[in-house]
Amino acid sequence: ETGVTQTPRHLVMGMTNKKSLKCEQHLGHNAMYWYKQSAKKPLELMFVYNFKEQTENNSVPSRFSPECPNSSHLFLHLHTLQPEDSALYLCASSQGTGDSEKLFFGSGTQLSVL
Amino acid sequence: GQNIDQPTEMTATEGAIVQINCTYQTSGFNGLFWYQQHAGEAPTFLSYNVLDGLEEKGRFSSFLSRSKGYSYLLLKELQMKDSASYLCAVRDRDYKLSFGAGTTVTVRA
Repeated sequence: ETGVTQTPRHLVMGMTNKKSLKCEQHLGHNAMYWYKQSAKKPLELMFVYNFKEQTENNSVPSRFSPECPNSSHLFLHLHTLQPEDSALYLCASSQGTGDSEKLFFGSGTQLSVL
Repeated sequence: GQNIDQPTEMTATEGAIVQINCTYQTSGFNGLFWYQQHAGEAPTFLSYNVLDGLEEKGRFSSFLSRSKGYSYLLLKELQMKDSASYLCAVRDRDYKLSFGAGTTVTVRA
């Protein structure tokens, strides 16, 4: 248990569906992240929020829409996804965004787009 | 972009030692991390190096040479539970964290 909870653990959706991924951290951290993890590829940073403000959008397609209502919760809204978007989506948090700040990850949502 | 290389897979025997190398080419350097990820689970923090040298934590040690753009993670007295993927990650001058693709370590009895 890392203190970061993601739901759902697994999600299968069609290309025309709309779904949302949820992340909650119980660590009192100020920064939250979405990463995409595809098989045999490096983790790809998607979005960063620091004190609820988006500080990084790593050229992510608009079919992925993040929302951070407070420092403890982070959502990723999905719509009209493509099969190549199938991957493990990991949420992470950290106290801040400085050099030595380590990330605490959730267990991820395994997404399959049909 | 950033380039972080590590071997794809390694296999070792229970009780042995394994060294996972990581080389990086990044825009500046503000620290290197190692994470462990068991299949189907969250990556968890193992170590952080920002100065040259060896950091030891029990059975795990991590080494850094900034001039060579090189790090390794040393796992000693391997146990079956050490079978996992090990991720190297580097923070650049803009504090952006980039990950390698991970090294899958399989420990055999």
